[in-house]
Amino acid sequence: DAGVTQSPTHLIKTRGQQVTLRCSPKSGHDTVSWYQQALGQGPQFIFQYYEEEERQRGNFPDRFSGHQFPNYSSELNVNALLLGDSALYLCASSLAPSGSLGQYFGPGTRLTVT
Amino acid sequence: GDSVTQMEGPVTLSEEACLTINCTYTATGYPSLFWYVQYPGEGLQLLLKATKADDKGSNKGFEATYRKETTSFHLEKGSVQVSDSAVYFCALSDLNTGNQFYFGTGTSLTVIP
Repeated sequence: DAGVTQSPTHLIKTRGQQVTLRCSPKSGHDTVSWYQQALGQGPQFIFQYYEEEERQRGNFPDRFSGHQFPNYSSELNVNALLLGDSALYLCASSLAPSGSLGQYFGPGTRLTVT
Repeated sequence: GDSVTQMEGPVTLSEEACLTINCTYTATGYPSLFWYVQYPGEGLQLLLKATKADDKGSNKGFEATYRKETTSFHLEKGSVQVSDSAVYFCALSDLNTGNQFYFGTGTSLTVIP
């Protein structure tokens, strides 16, 4: 049973560029959440997708957008990259948005903005 | 708003020592509480959870009890091993905030032989 997978593993971009990160949830899961984890910090919630709609959003600017596909996989898009966007981006999946079941995390995509 | 505060590290222990990592929370409702572990170069793994007051979560020798009266969820292990070296994150999910997860800043644990 495959867990949560993310691609790519590492990415280097230049300021002002745009980036797309991808996530496939754990088999049987229908809800995907995205987090930004800066070095030495805990993950910060970006947004959550369920039934192909953004259900919850954290305190992130509109430069961060996403999408969920009918097969439950998801993309995170970041426009007009800033140096401060350099971080580990984590995708987490769960069965429905219910928090009590916990979330399963992928290994993350390390984004470096130069 | 909701938040999690956990003990700052880093923590260094000798093998077989006792471990306690403190975690307290603030929530508007009745959250579910979690401990996640992150091994070097890997993503977060769910270690244990508790969904209501007085519940005890346990896994791999780790335990944590949901204490509503002290708003705490401290992580404990009686005898740590070198393989327990990792970063530990306390987290909560609150129905009142749409089940959004809030994480603490993490506590780095190093266990030396």
